[in-house]
Amino acid sequence: DVKVTQSSRYLVKRTGEKVFLECVQDMDHENMFWYRQDPGLGLRLIYFSYDVKMKEKGDIPEGYSVSREKKERFSLILESASTNQTSMYLCASREGLKDQPQHFGDGTRLSIL
Amino acid sequence: KQEVTQIPAALSVPEGENLVLNCSFTDSAIYNLQWFRQDPGKGLTSLLLIQSSQREQTSGRLNASLDKSSGRSTLYIAASQPGDSATYLCAVLIKAAGNKLTFGGGTRVLVKP
Repeated sequence: DVKVTQSSRYLVKRTGEKVFLECVQDMDHENMFWYRQDPGLGLRLIYFSYDVKMKEKGDIPEGYSVSREKKERFSLILESASTNQTSMYLCASREGLKDQPQHFGDGTRLSIL
Repeated sequence: KQEVTQIPAALSVPEGENLVLNCSFTDSAIYNLQWFRQDPGKGLTSLLLIQSSQREQTSGRLNASLDKSSGRSTLYIAASQPGDSATYLCAVLIKAAGNKLTFGGGTRVLVKP
């Protein structure tokens, strides 16, 4: 089974802090994704990566950056956390072929105070 | 722009009744459609993946159909159980969007004992 592991289930940070969310997958998948999920707004794509050191902006990249130095690890960075970034963050991965399913981690509930 | 709609947003059924969940999409040029389950506060669990060339997929009590020409998919859950209570989301991988899934808003299901 594919395993997508997010480093924290719950995280509390203060405004202005630099925040790192880590995600690791164990299936050598080319594609990795970061989403946020908010009530009434559904899942929104922040950034994705289709290879090491490659990244593309999703629908809501403002205030975020990402890093993919190794194939199995994809990090989401909040450069200067703000209260409107309080949310559930979900990481996902998928093989490069278009006929494969996407798999998600358990999510990180991030609160910015 | 591709839109994915799930109606109703919420559904309540007595235990033992069959569940029928609907998903519609506007752009029929898709690679595949995927159904997910999400429990409260958790990530998404992949249930079924239907390729664009397939009409249906089955896994245990779950059966998903795909009618690409009409832009519809239906997830059937036979003999529902209280443990089936969750939010169910569908997502399509469309050819115009490259690597990005487009998600519906989900249907929240409650199965009453």
